Amino acid sequence: DTGVSQNPRHKITKRGQNVTFRCDPISEHNRLYWYRQTLGQGPEFLTYFQNEAQLEKSRLLSDRFSAERPKGSFSTLEIQRTEQGDSAMYLCASTFSTGGARYGYTFGSGTRLTVV
Amino acid sequence: GQQVMQIPQYQHVQEGEDFTTYCNSSTTLSNIQWYKQRPGGHPVFLIQLVKSGEVKKQKRLTFQFGEAKKNSSLHITATQTTDVGTYFCAGRPIGTYKYIFGTGTRLKVLA
Repeated sequence: DTGVSQNPRHKITKRGQNVTFRCDPISEHNRLYWYRQTLGQGPEFLTYFQNEAQLEKSRLLSDRFSAERPKGSFSTLEIQRTEQGDSAMYLCASTFSTGGARYGYTFGSGTRLTVV
Repeated sequence: GQQVMQIPQYQHVQEGEDFTTYCNSSTTLSNIQWYKQRPGGHPVFLIQLVKSGEVKKQKRLTFQFGEAKKNSSLHITATQTTDVGTYFCAGRPIGTYKYIFGTGTRLKVLA
């Protein structure tokens, strides 16, 4: 297992288009998180899954954003009708926990989205 | 909403000098984690603190969790050029399994 894998690494899209990102977590990890990071800021929580269940979603996530984790394996994050303000690095992280979140996240390298 | 602030935002030090970053949460935390992000990289997990007043060391790095579990600090002794990067604290508010990242402290080490 080589860690958390995200693709694509970079995505340039025109405003109004839909985009989808994929994250493959570490296989033993049961929790998967999506964060967004803009330049000079800390990662901002978007949503997380425990196995295939989406347990929490940030209020910052508008109806244009949707995430799935079918069968508790890989996850996808879709943004519909992209806006310039969606330009950011989208980070996926996974961890293993049996109760409280006892271990650190392992982050992927991210997908950098540029909306033009 | 829940916020985690860090100070300072930037710190430039001469190699060999010490460095400290402070993290403050608006709410009580279950635990706190620290991450390092190199320029162009992604955050990498350093450590987790769980108990009130806990202190942990990793070589030249010392991490503390406040008694009230609302603040934390990271101290680096005798910085090296390899310490360059942005250090984030990430707090887990009680009753949730998500981590709220701080605003980060960007460290530059001058040789």
